[in-house]
Amino acid sequence: DAGVTQSPTHLIKTRGQHVTLRCSPISGHKSVSWYQQVLGQGPQFIFQYYEKEERGRGNFPDRFSARQFPNYSSELNVNALLLGDSALYLCASSSRDGATNEKLFFGSGTQLSVL
Amino acid sequence: EDQVTQSPEALRLQEGESSSLNCSYTVSGLRGLFWYRQDPGKGPEFLFTLYSAGEEKEKERLKATLTKKESFLHITAPKPEDSATYLCAGNSGGYQKVTFGTGTKLQVIP
Repeated sequence: DAGVTQSPTHLIKTRGQHVTLRCSPISGHKSVSWYQQVLGQGPQFIFQYYEKEERGRGNFPDRFSARQFPNYSSELNVNALLLGDSALYLCASSSRDGATNEKLFFGSGTQLSVL
Repeated sequence: EDQVTQSPEALRLQEGESSSLNCSYTVSGLRGLFWYRQDPGKGPEFLFTLYSAGEEKEKERLKATLTKKESFLHITAPKPEDSATYLCAGNSGGYQKVTFGTGTKLQVIP
């Protein structure tokens, strides 16, 4: 079975631009979460979606938004890019209802560089 | 605010030299303490979930333990393939807002 897939793997943008990152969860998984990982740091929670509804939001500005589609895939959108948005963006899926103690299955991430 | 602190930041071991990684947490209403392994250029890979103080879990050369304030990841007789960054994380919310530490980068030398 395929794991969590993310696209693109690498992306280079300039300040002020907009970016869309995509994620396909493991087949049968209904919960998708997004994390930002800056080099040398642990991942930071951005959003969780379950059954197309936002279940949780981390401490990120409104420039960050996301959505989940009927097939449970998800998009993360970032507007008005800043240099500080350069990071590895990770998508994670889980199998049940997004319960708090579920283990997460991570994709390999999208490496975003903002110049 | 939930906090997870890991030490040391980096650890270099000879093959076969056992050691422990530390994770201190301040997570109100902890619902799960997680350990993940992350290889360069990849996403974290799940290792363990611990739920209550006194709990222990093992997998091959790894053993995770939990107290009320800390978790330890013990590595027994490590091999070079154990080289990776080990992340500790805690969860307290009603959703999957997991707070990660900054990780311990482990290097095992043959």
